[in-house]
Amino acid sequence: EAQVTQNPRYLITVTGKKLTVTCSQNMNHEYMSWYRQDPGLGLRQIYYSMNVEVTDKGDVPEGYKVSRKEKRNFPLILESPSPNQTSLYFCASSFSQGAAYEQYFGPGTRLTVT
Amino acid sequence: GESVGLHLPTLSVQEGDNSIINCAYSNSASDYFIWYKQESGKGPQFIIDIRSNMDKRQGQRVTVLLNKTVKHLSLQIAATQPGDSAVYFCVWNAGNMLTFGGGTRLMVKP
Repeated sequence: EAQVTQNPRYLITVTGKKLTVTCSQNMNHEYMSWYRQDPGLGLRQIYYSMNVEVTDKGDVPEGYKVSRKEKRNFPLILESPSPNQTSLYFCASSFSQGAAYEQYFGPGTRLTVT
Repeated sequence: GESVGLHLPTLSVQEGDNSIINCAYSNSASDYFIWYKQESGKGPQFIIDIRSNMDKRQGQRVTVLLNKTVKHLSLQIAATQPGDSAVYFCVWNAGNMLTFGGGTRLMVKP
């Protein structure tokens, strides 16, 4: 089944404790992206990747890191999480370079930073 | 990216009626537009897209209209069903980035 998977689905952590949210897609997609969703704010793009070893900042990259060492994986790293990073996070992918194609979204990761 | 609306309006329709959800986008250079549907507890799901060289595109029970002159996008859902209840987002590209509108909640009354 073609899908985007994220792990963990739920995470509660404390301020300053490094964490990684994994994202994997099995569709051989080139474009991958991370979003955060906050009440009343819709989805905002954090980082995106056009292909392996190519990543770029989105609208809200501060406090986040990403890497794209393999085509299928695009982990989101919070080196020192803070309470304002409490949010619902979505990973997405699309088959072609660039954002101008249908994106497939993962199920989301709900992160709480205390 | 350019700013998007923070307001989440709600549209309530009777089952079987047609629904129209509107969106004002802010980037005049955008050339690709998408409507996503998000049900509670799930990730956004693609509904339909349209490129800037078109002003109308139809899918199954859905139609997207694009008016680039006034930067307006609309989604029409025919014969709305309870399963259509969700939050709908219009999305537009800015180069290789995507910007999401604030969303509209559609509630379908049986």
